[in-house]
Amino acid sequence: AQRVTQPEKLLSVFKGAPVELKCNYSYSGSPELFWYVQYSRQRLQLLLRHISRESIKGFTADLNKGETSFHLKKPFAQEEDSAMYYCALKTQYGNKLVFGAGTILRVKS
Amino acid sequence: GAGVSQSPRYKVAKRGQDVALRCDPISGHVSLFWYQQALGQGPEFLTYFQNEAQLDKSGLPSDRFFAERPEGSVSTLKIQRTQQEDSAVYLCASSLMLTVATNEKLFFGSGTQLSVL
Repeated sequence: AQRVTQPEKLLSVFKGAPVELKCNYSYSGSPELFWYVQYSRQRLQLLLRHISRESIKGFTADLNKGETSFHLKKPFAQEEDSAMYYCALKTQYGNKLVFGAGTILRVKS
Repeated sequence: GAGVSQSPRYKVAKRGQDVALRCDPISGHVSLFWYQQALGQGPEFLTYFQNEAQLDKSGLPSDRFFAERPEGSVSTLKIQRTQQEDSAVYLCASSLMLTVATNEKLFFGSGTQLSVL
């Protein structure tokens, strides 16, 4: 079965510090990986997806198939980045997303 | 429109009571998903519709859970004889296309928080 692991429940950093939110997955096929974000009192929304190789709000994530990881990174954290971040996987077949348990990012001033 | 709309926002039920949760997807969206999110966990897939057809219900935890989308727009998730372990946030999401492909976006509702006492 597919599985997404986010080992940190809470990550607390100072403003301007680098951020790395870890995500590891378990899936034998070719996955599609996503990061979703939920800001305080807002809905869950897509942040970025690996296939697009995009940078959104300064965040990037690279799929490492050898390490089965899709860590989310930002070189300089901002206070407005404080939110809950979920890593999610979609298999080659079917449409459902498998989510990790989430990591709370807290950026302190 | 205003996005995916879910009602009620909060629901308190006594154990054994039946509940119905409603989801209004974005107009014209073909795909509709239901997820269950327990406290401190990520969303877990329940079921998926493509228009009115329920193509995947593998995530429904028991036969007390039933979902429908009779006209291919509004969907209802029904839970019969609620139990305390059913307490969770129930999220609905929709997308325009048939598949949640890499260039397709999934839009989530605000969820219904169900508390079973």
